[in-house]
Amino acid sequence: EVQLVESGGGLIQPGGSLRLSCAASGFTVSSKHMNWVRQAPGKGLEWVSVTYGDGTTYYADSVKGRFTISRDNSKNTLNLQMNSLRAEDTAVYYCVRAADYIFDYWGQGTLVTVSS
Amino acid sequence: QAVLTQPSSLSASPGASASLTCTLGSGINVGAYRIYWYQQKPGSPPQFLLRYKSDSDKQQGSGVPSRFSGSKDASANAGILLISGLQSEDEADYYCMIWHSSAWVFGGGTKLTVL
Repeated sequence: EVQLVESGGGLIQPGGSLRLSCAASGFTVSSKHMNWVRQAPGKGLEWVSVTYGDGTTYYADSVKGRFTISRDNSKNTLNLQMNSLRAEDTAVYYCVRAADYIFDYWGQGTLVTVSS
Repeated sequence: QAVLTQPSSLSASPGASASLTCTLGSGINVGAYRIYWYQQKPGSPPQFLLRYKSDSDKQQGSGVPSRFSGSKDASANAGILLISGLQSEDEADYYCMIWHSSAWVFGGGTKLTVL
């Protein structure tokens, strides 16, 4: 059974850094495209970043230069390093697997709150 | 102008059909894109419904009823999610998505109320 479990969220001050992790089971992260998608409270979905199977990465303009997506194949996890955090980064962050570009499995999300 | 525009809300009666639109921005030709549709219910992550580019290039999500279908309106430059035989359980937020300029882009979402 495929499962994605995010961790690392919490309250952080503006300008701070946070590292999110997503523990995958039931498949290997190295074999799939993996994404982060976020949702601000009461708002819509916003795609954040993807790492494709060939290692190519892409980012939303809103996080480019501040966030870094990576995989740890030894731990079968997906990570998101978030630096220079802003209030507008406050959201639930979902780890999402993609198969044939379809976002087929989503984690339950981890809440990041950026506030002083 | 936004890449993808969805009406913020839509209401329909049980048993009726609902047509949810996803309009692509100026200069973005709907014919060239696979449009993905996701459903999100309160307190849960989204779920994949279907993707549609053409009648020969479409895919239904696993377990998604056939009363959910996709199409396009080229004249309106829009993708359409059609839900027929509406049920109370279809009340949810619906999001469209495309891959555009090296990024996945979501529409703002449509809140569908079944009443």
